[in-house]
Amino acid sequence: DTEVTQTPKHLVMGMTNKKSLKCEQHMGHRAMYWYKQKAKKPPELMFVYSYEKLSINESVPSRFSPECPNSSLLNLHLHALQPEDSALYLCASSQGLAGGNEQFFGPGTRLTVL
Amino acid sequence: GEDVEQSLFLSVREGDSSVINCTYTDSSSTYLYWYKQEPGAGLQLLTYIFSNMDMKQDQRLTVLLNKKDKHLSLRIADTQTGDSAIYFCAESYGSSNTGKLIFGQGTTLQVKP
Repeated sequence: DTEVTQTPKHLVMGMTNKKSLKCEQHMGHRAMYWYKQKAKKPPELMFVYSYEKLSINESVPSRFSPECPNSSLLNLHLHALQPEDSALYLCASSQGLAGGNEQFFGPGTRLTVL
Repeated sequence: GEDVEQSLFLSVREGDSSVINCTYTDSSSTYLYWYKQEPGAGLQLLTYIFSNMDMKQDQRLTVLLNKKDKHLSLRIADTQTGDSAIYFCAESYGSSNTGKLIFGQGTTLQVKP
């Protein structure tokens, strides 16, 4: 199984809602990532988890809250988002953090904030 | 700091070769990657090269690295309409093992039948 799955595929939420994005991989990877991608732009790194511990937070606003409940799962909890947070949210995983470790990407969750 | 640059658009005819170019700035040993993103999908790693290599070939894909000029290229032979996508060049961030990648802006490849 070389797949990273993400749910939901699409999400529309209001600025007062609380929602969560989910990511799962069963490749035994110990590093997992959240990226944000705006249309026709490259992905921007948000968070990196290594061995279920947060290792990088790229100064992401606190309305985004990541969680890694176990080595296969990664969540992104959303609260009080702004319309400018509308984007494609990509999850990725890799064997480790060293260069040369391929990052496998999921298909993404298309988020629209009204 | 590290920076990766790409041209934004390339149009070719089906059956021709495509060459997508990228320049990077990190002078330390690094990994350089090519990712493909089709509309509405995530990123797919096509190939990668370590900065002590000059060339890597994988079926229709050839990666050339000019270390002196910090120039990376991806050649796709016999380009097909299914190759139409955005291609991102990326570089591992520095020499530390952080998992961070620095992406270029992406090159949109349009393949005309």
